[in-house]
Amino acid sequence: GAVVSQHPSWVICKSGTSVKIECRSLDFQATTMFWYRQFPKQSLMLMATSNEGSKATYEQGVEKDKFLINHASLTLSTLTVTSAHPEDSSFYICSARPPAGGTYEQYFGPGTRLTVT
Amino acid sequence: QQQVKQSPQSLIVQKGGIPIINCAYENTAFDYFPWYQQFPGKGPALLIAIRPDVSEKKEGRFTISFNKSAKQFSLHIMDSQPGDSATYFCAASIGGGDKIIFGKGTRLHILP
Repeated sequence: GAVVSQHPSWVICKSGTSVKIECRSLDFQATTMFWYRQFPKQSLMLMATSNEGSKATYEQGVEKDKFLINHASLTLSTLTVTSAHPEDSSFYICSARPPAGGTYEQYFGPGTRLTVT
Repeated sequence: QQQVKQSPQSLIVQKGGIPIINCAYENTAFDYFPWYQQFPGKGPALLIAIRPDVSEKKEGRFTISFNKSAKQFSLHIMDSQPGDSATYFCAASIGGGDKIIFGKGTRLHILP
């Protein structure tokens, strides 16, 4: 089956620093990857959609200058939380979709727990 | 219009019982309805999904019932086990799943 990995699985950083989270599709090429944020006991909220080789599309209310997304290859997308603050502490989950070919599925990574102190 | 309403928020069922989770939507353009299972500290995993041209789909102990006219769909878990204790999310998407709209989730606890 399609596997998506994330690194790191958890990270603690100090307020004001930047943190980079990687999302990789291990056994398929993903032209499109998605980044979600999930607060405790809440649902997943889509932050942005990234397409390989082009700029990410951000959902309304998500600061694109704060959450930098780079999708440099067909197997890797990165999310950088710049100048992190405690309110950015959350569970960040990526997903990836194989190239068009009949599947509607998105495959989710295991998530990255970010704690900003 | 873009919402998926999910109920109940939490559910406790005895082992062997059949928990039922319900979802409703408004946007008739939705054409893909997946259910996800999420364990604490993990990403969601696809359980089962259905398209609106089918009224029921079974995969193992999991069944989706779909009522297109009522714009409702539900998940049934047969012979539930303590290992099924997790949070379940219904979802919907349009035209290939580019944007998945998630319900708020149901925290299911199966008593041993």
